[in-house]
Amino acid sequence: EDKVVQSPLSLVVHEGDTVTLNCSYEVTNFRSLLWYKQEKKAPTFLFMLTSSGIEKKSGRLSSILDKKELFSILNITATQTGDSAVYLCAVESRDDKIIFGKGTRLHILP
Amino acid sequence: KAGVTQTPRYLIKTRGQQVTLSCSPISGHRSVSWYQQTPGQGLQFLFEYFSETQRNKGNFPGRFSGRQFSNSRSEMNVSTLELGDSALYLCASSVQGEAYEQYFGPGTRLTVT
Repeated sequence: EDKVVQSPLSLVVHEGDTVTLNCSYEVTNFRSLLWYKQEKKAPTFLFMLTSSGIEKKSGRLSSILDKKELFSILNITATQTGDSAVYLCAVESRDDKIIFGKGTRLHILP
Repeated sequence: KAGVTQTPRYLIKTRGQQVTLSCSPISGHRSVSWYQQTPGQGLQFLFEYFSETQRNKGNFPGRFSGRQFSNSRSEMNVSTLELGDSALYLCASSVQGEAYEQYFGPGTRLTVT
């Protein structure tokens, strides 16, 4: 059965800290891995990763994929209170199915 | 450009009833996907509609159904509601169904009592 597992489930850090969120997957016919940020209701898209070893970067956020070991990490440097959210990892398969992890709830203390 | 809208935003139903949720995609988007989000199971894919046809379906019982109209608006119906159907139901639209180009709506919070 296809699955996406995120860790940790929740994380509390202080503003300015760097955090690393993990996502491992077992999905047949992998196409892409996606990261989303969900603050209140609607998740917003962060990154899509399809190739191993190529870092995607957007400001203080970056992500990388390892297709051999079947995992991805999302890094956030110099965290701010506005980074507090649930971060979702999802894997899309070539038959157009999308499987989400349960998310990592990140709370940044001022 | 207006975002994805969902109605109603909140709904309370009792067991055994049925419910219909509505999703209006971004103008020009032909794909609408529905998701169920619960604390225990996280975000789970229900189904995707593209040009009025169901293109993909997740692992949910037949009580969950949907349809899409010619203007790309979509409805989701849940019949014979169960307590476990209490969840946030999100829809997302995209031009062709690309996951990385999905825009999510604010969701409908359904509570079944």
